[in-house]
Amino acid sequence: EPEVTQTPSHQVTQMGQEVILRCVPISNHLYFYWYRQILGQKVEFLVSFYNNEISEKSEIFDDQFSVERPDGSNFTLKIRSTKLEDSAMYFCASYNNEQFFGPGTRLTVL
Amino acid sequence: GQQVMQIPQYQHVQEGEDFTTYCNSSTTLSNIQWYKQRPGGHPVFLIQLVKSGEVKKQKRLTFQFGEAKKNSSLHITATQTTDVGTYFCAGVPTSYDKVIFGPGTSLSVIP
Repeated sequence: EPEVTQTPSHQVTQMGQEVILRCVPISNHLYFYWYRQILGQKVEFLVSFYNNEISEKSEIFDDQFSVERPDGSNFTLKIRSTKLEDSAMYFCASYNNEQFFGPGTRLTVL
Repeated sequence: GQQVMQIPQYQHVQEGEDFTTYCNSSTTLSNIQWYKQRPGGHPVFLIQLVKSGEVKKQKRLTFQFGEAKKNSSLHITATQTTDVGTYFCAGVPTSYDKVIFGPGTSLSVIP
């Protein structure tokens, strides 16, 4: 069965550093998403990506965040100048009649 | 802004009892999705409801989408310990550009 993969599974960084979270969505899917989930809380929509560009972003997705699809397979989320409150699970997902989530990257900002 | 609410926040049931979680959107939705997340896991897609008044069943799970396309419910008949997890509804307001998750209902099943 096709699956969404994410790397790394866990990222520890110092406050103020930049991180890049990587995802390989399912290849024939059209919509790609990034979500975050702070421990014990709900899943929060960050951004959607369609036709190689951002189609919608939430109020959380400010200038600190950016997404790219540098080639036909990878989908990255960059967080510049990380803050303590950026610590969370970050999920990538892709959609084609149903939405498949990746296993997530746990980001810890110290 | 658009919000999706869900109740209850927690539910503890005896194995074999039924369980229902309710989802309500502040705005009319294009469709609604349901997910299950086990502790330490990622959300797993269960179903998508698109039509007003739609009812879908998956074995012991029954999903319903309200006539006004603003509310939905998930009912589990005769819960089992494998049903343990958090159930999220997620509303899609228009196209698939944005998906708004509810806060989830955490289900515990006592054997």
